[in-house]
Amino acid sequence: AQKVTQAQTEISVVEKEDVTLDCVYETRDTTYYLFWYKQPPSGELVFLIRRNSFDEQNEISGRYSWNFQKSTSSFNFTITASQVVDSAVYFCALSRGSTLGRLYFGRGTQLTVWP
Amino acid sequence: GAVVSQHPSRVICKSGTSVKIECRSLDFQATTMFWYRQFPKQSLMLMATSNEGSKATYEQGVEKDKFLINHASLTLSTLTVTSAHPEDSSFYICSGRAGGGADTQYFGPGTRLTVL
Repeated sequence: AQKVTQAQTEISVVEKEDVTLDCVYETRDTTYYLFWYKQPPSGELVFLIRRNSFDEQNEISGRYSWNFQKSTSSFNFTITASQVVDSAVYFCALSRGSTLGRLYFGRGTQLTVWP
Repeated sequence: GAVVSQHPSRVICKSGTSVKIECRSLDFQATTMFWYRQFPKQSLMLMATSNEGSKATYEQGVEKDKFLINHASLTLSTLTVTSAHPEDSSFYICSGRAGGGADTQYFGPGTRLTVL
């Protein structure tokens, strides 16, 4: 069975702090995809990143970075120098197999960045 | 990224009425569309998957006669909540995927349904 765990329900930081959102997944598939989505208060899910199971390279995009470690089944997301606009719910998700199908979502982490 | 729209963004209706929600892929052809519902402070739960021209595949526990899904074209899918009741009040979100392989799902802005 597929499972995504985001143990942090809520995180609060002050602007300019760095923050890491944890994501741990379970799957027996050897081929799978991992995602992060951002859901601001407006409700729309914004795609942030997709990573396939064969690519363990870490990725950096501006203030965002992702650390994928198959050894610990984790796909953590770090925001450096956080800003108030980063306040949102962040979801980690898993898709099985070589053809992308349904997404298995974690429960989400509510990030609040205070000015 | 690709753009998916939903209409209406918010709807309030009386118990017993039916509500139709439209999901459109604006700049790509969505061979597969997904419908999710999200209760406050909870994660997204997949309701059904629909492929253009085929019947939708519903997740366990989702009543197909209550949540009618039509995916008549590559850019439009509709979800009709029939005989809505207060417990159907939720945030409904659709997503579209252009094809198989490594295509990503892109989400619409969601529709907040309130049934009085």
